[in-house]
Amino acid sequence: EPEVTQTPSHQVTQMGQEVILRCVPISNHLYFYWYRQILGQKVEFLVSFYNNEISEKSEIFDDQFSVERPDGSNFTLKIRSTKLEDSAMYFCASSEWGIGRTDTQYFGPGTRLTVL
Amino acid sequence: QKEVEQNSGPLSVPEGAIASLNCTYSDRGSQSFFWYRQYSGKSPELIMSIYSNGDKEDGRFTAQLNKASQYVSLLIRDSQPSDSATYLCAVIGAGNNRKLIWGLGTSLAVNP
Repeated sequence: EPEVTQTPSHQVTQMGQEVILRCVPISNHLYFYWYRQILGQKVEFLVSFYNNEISEKSEIFDDQFSVERPDGSNFTLKIRSTKLEDSAMYFCASSEWGIGRTDTQYFGPGTRLTVL
Repeated sequence: QKEVEQNSGPLSVPEGAIASLNCTYSDRGSQSFFWYRQYSGKSPELIMSIYSNGDKEDGRFTAQLNKASQYVSLLIRDSQPSDSATYLCAVIGAGNNRKLIWGLGTSLAVNP
């Protein structure tokens, strides 16, 4: 069964460093998302991406965040200058769109980001 | 502010019993409703989606939606210890956006 994959599973970085989190969405899906979950808190929406552009972003997704689809399969989240409060699980998700579309979002296994 | 509320639990049921999980949402125009299961340290795993008022059954799981009361529920029949997890309610609100708005989740413990 097709699934969303994410790498790395765990990333440890120093405050102020840049990190790139990678995702491979399900191949026939056209909508991509990033969410994060701080330990013990709700899952929070960061950004959605469709047709090679951001379709919506949250207040969390400020100038230090960016997303990119560098090729036909990868979808990346870049945090330019990490802060302690960026420590969280980051989940990538995708959903299909088109004839017979569904808005069900399928999640990757997540990347645990630890900022020291 | 669009909100999704769940009782955080923990909800404890004996093996074989029915577990009932509830969720309310604030955006009356919400259109799509989902239940996900999340094991500790893992990602959300889809259990069911529901779009219309009424019940939707899938195996041991039944989702119930009441848009007038802005209420979604999940029933788990014949609960198993492997069902022990946090159950997350998520909603797509009105409009063209597709983001999921999440509840905090209800922790379920099924005791053998």
